[in-house]
Amino acid sequence: DTEVTQTPKHLVMGMTNKKSLKCEQHMGHRAMYWYKQKAKKPPELMFVYSYEKLSINESVPSRFSPECPNSSLLNLHLHALQPEDSALYLCASSLIAGVNVGETQYFGPGTRLLVL
Amino acid sequence: GENVEQHPSTLSVQEGDSAVIKCTYSDSASNYFPWYKQELGKRPQLIIDIRSNVGEKKDQRIAVTLNKTAKHFSLHITETQPEDSAVYFCAASIPRNTDKLIFGTGTRLQVFP
Repeated sequence: DTEVTQTPKHLVMGMTNKKSLKCEQHMGHRAMYWYKQKAKKPPELMFVYSYEKLSINESVPSRFSPECPNSSLLNLHLHALQPEDSALYLCASSLIAGVNVGETQYFGPGTRLLVL
Repeated sequence: GENVEQHPSTLSVQEGDSAVIKCTYSDSASNYFPWYKQELGKRPQLIIDIRSNVGEKKDQRIAVTLNKTAKHFSLHITETQPEDSAVYFCAASIPRNTDKLIFGTGTRLQVFP
């Protein structure tokens, strides 16, 4: 398996809902990332997990809660989101992570989230 | 702070022509520079990358050049085809930070038949 997969593809939720996004890879990668992408903008890093430990949190609001249950899975739990959180949420993975290692990041297809 | 400037923001070319997209990075310690292509509604896909110990890399119709002194890197696409139409993002690694990339603002390339 040479791909990063994400579920669901689309998600519509109200501001009081709780939902989760799921990301999976079976390439043996030990670094996984969550990005947020607004229309016509580049991906914006949210979180990095390295060897199942959270290594970067880009000052993301607590209504987004990441979880890495094992080296193949990455979740993003959503609670009490705002309409401005509507975006494409991309997961990515790379072989390893480290200071200035420069490993290629492979992206999943994303979850398109709409918050009403 | 660290940033990557990308130009132009839009680029229209005739099929068969060449296209060049340029990026400038701010931190001279950056050592990894990938280029991603993102078609409408799709994931960003790596098309080519270059590391700071190399000045040029080519893969069929796509090439990337790096000028470390000027902190510039460029994507060159030759013999463009309509299927090259997409948004292209450059990125640069952030030194002293776990595999963090800073992305450029993107270039929308349109190739007209």
